[in-house]
Amino acid sequence: EPEVTQTPSHQVTQMGQEVILRCVPISNHLYFYWYRQILGQKVEFLVSFYNNEISEKSEIFDDQFSVERPDGSNFTLKIRSTKLEDSAMYFCASSTGLAGDEQYFGPGTRLTVT
Amino acid sequence: AQSVTQLDSQVPVFEEAPVELRCNYSSSVSVYLFWYVQYPNQGLQLLLKYLSGSTLVESINGFEAEFNKSQTSFHLRKPSVHISDTAEYFCAVSTPFSGGYNKLIFGAGTRLAVHP
Repeated sequence: EPEVTQTPSHQVTQMGQEVILRCVPISNHLYFYWYRQILGQKVEFLVSFYNNEISEKSEIFDDQFSVERPDGSNFTLKIRSTKLEDSAMYFCASSTGLAGDEQYFGPGTRLTVT
Repeated sequence: AQSVTQLDSQVPVFEEAPVELRCNYSSSVSVYLFWYVQYPNQGLQLLLKYLSGSTLVESINGFEAEFNKSQTSFHLRKPSVHISDTAEYFCAVSTPFSGGYNKLIFGAGTRLAVHP
C-alpha cells in the first residue's frame, strides 16, 4: 500500500539554525500539506500546496517557514532560523484533492530545538 | 471559523467493554468529519469519515461514528474494545467550500487506554 514517508524521524538543532524537513508524498497525489503538533497540544494546520504554489497557509506559517517541491517526488518544509517554540512533531500529508478525500499522513519528524 | 472539541483527554477502559469517544464541532458551513487514529510512534491513520448520506459510518475494525447535525456531534463508538485499540484518537473537520483545499482542523485528541 502506498504511504507517505518523512525524513528524518528525529532532528535536533540549535536555536537560530536552519532545518529542512523532507517528505515523499504518495505518487499520484496532487495536494500536499504540513501540520505540526507541539507536545500536549492539538495538531495544527501549517500550509497546503498545489501546482507548485501555496494554496493556503495558517497564521503560524510566517516568513521563517517555506515549502518547496524541488523535484517530482519530494516536498520540503524549511525553517530558516529555528526558535525554541518550533519544537514539535511535524506531519506531512498528501491527498488527491477531491472534495472529502482523505489525507494520508506520514509518520512525522520530531524537531527538537535546543 | 471551524473548531473541534474532544471532551475527554483520556479514556481508560477494560478489554471487551464498550467505549464512546466524544467529539463536537462548530461551523457555520457544511463540514466533512473524520476520525484519525495514531498508534504509538506512528503517523495519523484515517479510521472513518462522514461526507454525506447515512449519518452512521463504520470502519473495518468495528468502530462506528454517528453524525448528529442538531447536536453538532460526531461521537466514536465501539461495542467491545481490544488491547490493540490503545491509541490516540483525533476528530477532525474539513470544509469543502473553503477554497483551502480541504485543510483539516483537529481536536485535541483522546487517549484511549485499554486495560486487560
